Amino acid sequence: EDKVVQSPLSLVVHEGDTVTLNCSYEVTNFRSLLWYKQEKKAPTFLFMLTSSGIEKKSGRLSSILDKKELFSILNITATQTGDSAIYLCAVENNYGQNFVFGPGTRLSVLP
Amino acid sequence: EPEVTQTPSHQVTQMGQEVILRCVPISNHLYFYWYRQILGQKVEFLVSFYNNEISEKSEIFDDQFSVERPDGSNFTLKIRSTKLEDSAMYFCASSPGAGLYNEQFFGPGTRLTVL
Repeated sequence: EDKVVQSPLSLVVHEGDTVTLNCSYEVTNFRSLLWYKQEKKAPTFLFMLTSSGIEKKSGRLSSILDKKELFSILNITATQTGDSAIYLCAVENNYGQNFVFGPGTRLSVLP
Repeated sequence: EPEVTQTPSHQVTQMGQEVILRCVPISNHLYFYWYRQILGQKVEFLVSFYNNEISEKSEIFDDQFSVERPDGSNFTLKIRSTKLEDSAMYFCASSPGAGLYNEQFFGPGTRLTVL
């Protein structure tokens, strides 16, 4: 059974801290890994990763994939209160547009 | 900026009733998806739809569920006979393509409450 595990499930930091969120997966035929940010309602897309070792960067956020060890990390530097959200990791398997989501990491950034 | 829209934002229904959740994907997108998120739990994939047919569905998507693209703009999810456990937030998403173009844009969701 395809599975996505995220850690930690919950994290509380102060503004300015750097955080690393982890996602590991087991899927039958890996196609891509996606990171989303979920605030009050719908998830918003952050990154899609398909190749190992290539860092994707957007402002203070960056992510990298290791297809050998089957995990990805999402880094957020100089955190702000607006980064408080649930960060979701999802993996697409190769049989079609089938996505398996992890449980999410709830990040709380305190002023 | 184009966005995915969903209606209604909140639907309350009695157990056993049929509900139709509506979505308008982004106009030039080709792939459409439904997800659900039970309160406090993870997002779960239900179904993907391409070229007017289902391309993939999960175990959750049983005979009670159906999807349709009745015209060029709407994408609907029908639940024939709702159960209490169908209460959840239902998200529609669309993407312009597959593979490297698989950035999915999510709608705001419809909160379904089954009494």
